Amino acid sequence: AQKITQTQPGMFVQEKEAVTLDCTYDTSDQSYGLFWYKQPSSGEMIFLIYQGSYDEQNATEGRYSLNFQKARKSANLVISASQLGDSAMYFCAMREGPGALNFGKGTSLLVTP
Amino acid sequence: NAGVTQTPKFQVLKTGQSMTLQCAQDMNHEYMSWYRQDPGMGLRLIHYSVGAGITDQGEVPNGYNVSRSTTEDFPLRLLSAAPSQTSVYFCASSYKGFGYTFGSGTRLTVV
Repeated sequence: AQKITQTQPGMFVQEKEAVTLDCTYDTSDQSYGLFWYKQPSSGEMIFLIYQGSYDEQNATEGRYSLNFQKARKSANLVISASQLGDSAMYFCAMREGPGALNFGKGTSLLVTP
Repeated sequence: NAGVTQTPKFQVLKTGQSMTLQCAQDMNHEYMSWYRQDPGMGLRLIHYSVGAGITDQGEVPNGYNVSRSTTEDFPLRLLSAAPSQTSVYFCASSYKGFGYTFGSGTRLTVV
């Protein structure tokens, strides 16, 4: 069963607008971590934001915030004031227990002028 | 700091050849992992390690071997390359699972 679901294959947003990228997850663990990564066309994986399952506050990192709804098992990424350089693939990922990440299939974001 | 270093960046193999993708990190991270990325599939976990001498399988381990003899290195071995292993391979390391640093990737083509 897929553990991370990103239902939006592609999204468009106008420059300076906010955009929300959806992510739902499936786990029976009480302790887990949720991550968002950005992959520009150059191919590198860039860490954006992290949310721990026990964190009471939603994580924020500059223009990025994570809308964490534990009961609904969702961890949506909100990008405020979009910039042209935000155009990229965005991946949601989860760590259950030690070791490694499970990734969603990604959302392609295009920011238009 | 170099972070996570993957070599080579590009490789073309013939079907049946073997090779090793190298991954090294200089951050003293305990966790290391290998992923493959195919179009439309996101990143899929191949193998991972939580420390020297400890490895485990991920979602797509068939056709790949790993070992972890040191904290710094986590090589991925393709035993007998197949066209289905054409992909982009990423190595990542993490300190206790709170932040994962990725290498720049290896683009492998098997013909």
